[in-house]
Amino acid sequence: EIVLTQSPGTQSLSPGERATLSCRASESVGGNYLAWYQQKPGQAPRLLIYGASSRATGIPDRFSGSGSGTDFTLTISRLEPEDFAVYYCHQYGSSPMYSFGQGAKLEIK
Amino acid sequence: EVQLVETGGGLIQPGGSLRLSCAASGFTVSSNYMSWVRQAPGKGLEWVSVLHTSGSTYYADSVKGRFTISRDNSKNTLYLQMSSLRAEDTAVYYCARDNPSFKAFDIWGQGTMVTVSS
Repeated sequence: EIVLTQSPGTQSLSPGERATLSCRASESVGGNYLAWYQQKPGQAPRLLIYGASSRATGIPDRFSGSGSGTDFTLTISRLEPEDFAVYYCHQYGSSPMYSFGQGAKLEIK
Repeated sequence: EVQLVETGGGLIQPGGSLRLSCAASGFTVSSNYMSWVRQAPGKGLEWVSVLHTSGSTYYADSVKGRFTISRDNSKNTLYLQMSSLRAEDTAVYYCARDNPSFKAFDIWGQGTMVTVSS
């Protein structure tokens, strides 16, 4: 099973700042099938990025994904108040035994 | 509108059984891969099971032999039959459309809470 490790666990930033979230895999993610989700308290996760760098429908362009192999990054170029949430990476490469990262929290400074 | 609605959660004693349902609208369950994902209180996401369009099923090691995923095409509904429940199965259970084109879970339900406790 591929283990995904997200860092940092928590980031304290201000609206307007840039956020960089990292996801490292224990082995190469096949096809770079790495997705990112956003989850707010009491809500279901929402797909942001799939295939490492493709934005899902309706996702603002301030969200971008990059990376390949074992190292992936989610970047939020200018934080909006609604972006403070928990983010999860997810590998689909070794389907069907999927795995998620442990989550990374963005909090308002 | 594309939507998933889970029902069936509740309080159940250890060793008991429970069946969760996930009703889909706006798309056909049998034409899509469908997964269950759970989230223990205050914890992260854990994939539980997937049902492929072919009927093939796969499970996380933590639930293998205890949980069964299935669907009813006439009701456009996905199910998760859970048995021999343990305290560590306590979680919000989400169903999600597992989109093989995106290689991601693109539609999620709102979740249903399962609490295993005596």
